[in-house]
Amino acid sequence: QQPVQSPQAVILREGEDAVINCSSSKALYSVHWYRQKHGEAPVFLMILLKGGEQKGHEKISASFNEKKQQSSLYLTASQLSYSGTYFCGTEIPRSQGGSEKLVFGKGTKLTVNP
Amino acid sequence: DTAVSQTPKYLVTQMGNDKSIKCEQNLGHDTMYWYKQDSKKFLKIMFSYNNKELIINETVPNRFSPKSPDKAHLNLHINSLELGDSAVYFCASSRRRAFEAFFGQGTRLTVV
Repeated sequence: QQPVQSPQAVILREGEDAVINCSSSKALYSVHWYRQKHGEAPVFLMILLKGGEQKGHEKISASFNEKKQQSSLYLTASQLSYSGTYFCGTEIPRSQGGSEKLVFGKGTKLTVNP
Repeated sequence: DTAVSQTPKYLVTQMGNDKSIKCEQNLGHDTMYWYKQDSKKFLKIMFSYNNKELIINETVPNRFSPKSPDKAHLNLHINSLELGDSAVYFCASSRRRAFEAFFGQGTRLTVV
């Protein structure tokens, strides 16, 4: 039930854009996005609960598709501070055979260079 | 004030020893978690407590035993430590399920 994240790694120059995808084989209750910098704890970015929802957080935004099986995280005009590993966490409802616990993907390592 | 605090930050111990990691949150949250992050950075839930009651108990060896004396504390005791237990252990809390989770700074456990 682990969500699949892609790509595994991205290298950008400052000012470039990136998209990180998170997909599930089953409809989800929610998608959570976190960023973890090297040697630090994961930090919450946003949660999406509704199909078709889009949310923004400064220049970082995310969408949740209508079927609630895929979410994408958009990073625009990237800054050096965006570097880190991005994790999506998903919850599958009991109605879909899930256990309602938050399961994280394997992460996407984002490196922003000057 | 740190929202979720774990102690110790580093723990180096020999195989076979028993050790504990403590976690406290001052956010008034109902739900607390233990996660294990291995060397490949895979973040996996181990336990989840809601109001001191165990609600998620993943397939972890029974050498791992969580204890929640009250809503603000969730400690992790590990018996007979093995080399494979080496990892970073994160405690986290959230108001309730599907809410933002706040993570502690992690405890890097090294078993030698």
